[in-house]
Amino acid sequence: GAVVSQHPSRVICKSGTSVKIECRSLDFQATTMFWYRQFPKQSLMLMATSNEGSKATYEQGVEKDKFLINHASLTLSTLTVTSAHPEDSSFYICSASGTGLGTDTQYFGPGTRLTVL
Amino acid sequence: DAKTTQPTSMDCAEGRAANLPCNHSTISGNEYVYWYRQIHSQGPQYIIHGLKNNETNEMASLIITEDRKSSTLILPHATLRDTAVYYCIVTTFGNEKLTFGTGTRLTIIP
Repeated sequence: GAVVSQHPSRVICKSGTSVKIECRSLDFQATTMFWYRQFPKQSLMLMATSNEGSKATYEQGVEKDKFLINHASLTLSTLTVTSAHPEDSSFYICSASGTGLGTDTQYFGPGTRLTVL
Repeated sequence: DAKTTQPTSMDCAEGRAANLPCNHSTISGNEYVYWYRQIHSQGPQYIIHGLKNNETNEMASLIITEDRKSSTLILPHATLRDTAVYYCIVTTFGNEKLTFGTGTRLTIIP
């Protein structure tokens, strides 16, 4: 099956610093990657959609200058949380879809838990 | 995308079949029904999807009513590892952005 990995799985940082989260498709080419955020006891909320080689499309209310997304290759997308604050503490999950899967399905990474002190 | 309605929670005895319902009465003709589940503190896991025919894979079966206004996900022999939140999502393409509702919290009881 299609495998998506994320790194790191957990990160703790100080307020005001930046954190980069990587999302990789291990066995397929991800033409589209999605970034979701999930607060405790809530459902997943889409933050942005990125296509390889293009600028990301952000959902309403998501600050593009704060959450920088780069999808420079067909197997890697990164999310950088800039000038992190405690309210950015959340579970960040990426998903990917693309060629070679044989079906139009999104596959999700295991998630990254960010804690901002 | 069409909205879906799922029960908030369900219990099922270990070894029995777990039947999770989903209503999607406003589904359009070109929309698929996708099921994902999320085990605590993990990313969602794809289970199965269908358009109008019933589908079965190694994880589950998906039964879609003839009018397509509702569906049921069936886990044939539930185990403790099936305890999770199950999301029913209706979308035109599975590779487009997905809108997650609150899902059904399924608890498998020993």
